[in-house]
Amino acid sequence: RKEVEQDPGPFNVPEGATVAFNCTYSNSASQSFFWYRQDCRKEPKLLMSVYSSGNEDGRFTAQLNRASQYISLLIRDSKLSDSATYLCVVNAGKSTFGDGTTLTVKP
Amino acid sequence: NAGVMQNPRHLVRRRGQEARLRCSPMKGHSHVYWYRQLPEEGLKFMVYLQKENIIDESGMPKERFSAEFPKEGPSILRIQQVVRGDSAAYFCASSPDRVDSNQPQHFGDGTRLSIL
Repeated sequence: RKEVEQDPGPFNVPEGATVAFNCTYSNSASQSFFWYRQDCRKEPKLLMSVYSSGNEDGRFTAQLNRASQYISLLIRDSKLSDSATYLCVVNAGKSTFGDGTTLTVKP
Repeated sequence: NAGVMQNPRHLVRRRGQEARLRCSPMKGHSHVYWYRQLPEEGLKFMVYLQKENIIDESGMPKERFSAEFPKEGPSILRIQQVVRGDSAAYFCASSPDRVDSNQPQHFGDGTRLSIL
């Protein structure tokens, strides 16, 4: 079993749709969590941190469930510019990246 | 407001040559991480360094690969006797503190290594 597993992609959604990604992790000692996005194999860019209480940044909502060991990312009102690969990151002494979920938003 | 600087952006080597990839972390960051992304695959951790120390090299291949982060100058990822399978994008990231401190990593633009 991988240390960090993400929903298999790709997700193809129309503009305006709501889409959710899940990411599960195996190390219960994991301490910090992040979502990154990566465009066309460019460098990953930090999208948002994930806090225990859940956090929101505009159309993006991140949640953490420590009991079930998963984090989620919800994107509301999808835009064409949201098309990218979304990577979850789990830190437990070192950073472990999920393999990413590819999102394509279509007009 | 310089971010993480990697050079070169693109590097072409013939099989058997050496490749040296450089990474200068963001100002104030003393922790450096190297990742490799093979074509059509996800990002894979290679090594985590602090100044003059290798903290975790569990993702580094046992042979031909080495990394350093000297007291002065950039971090260097060195690949000796390159083979076709080394062709990949190599990303460097830095953070101000350990990963356990809730500080996110910031990535450089990467070096695309192509082996002929």
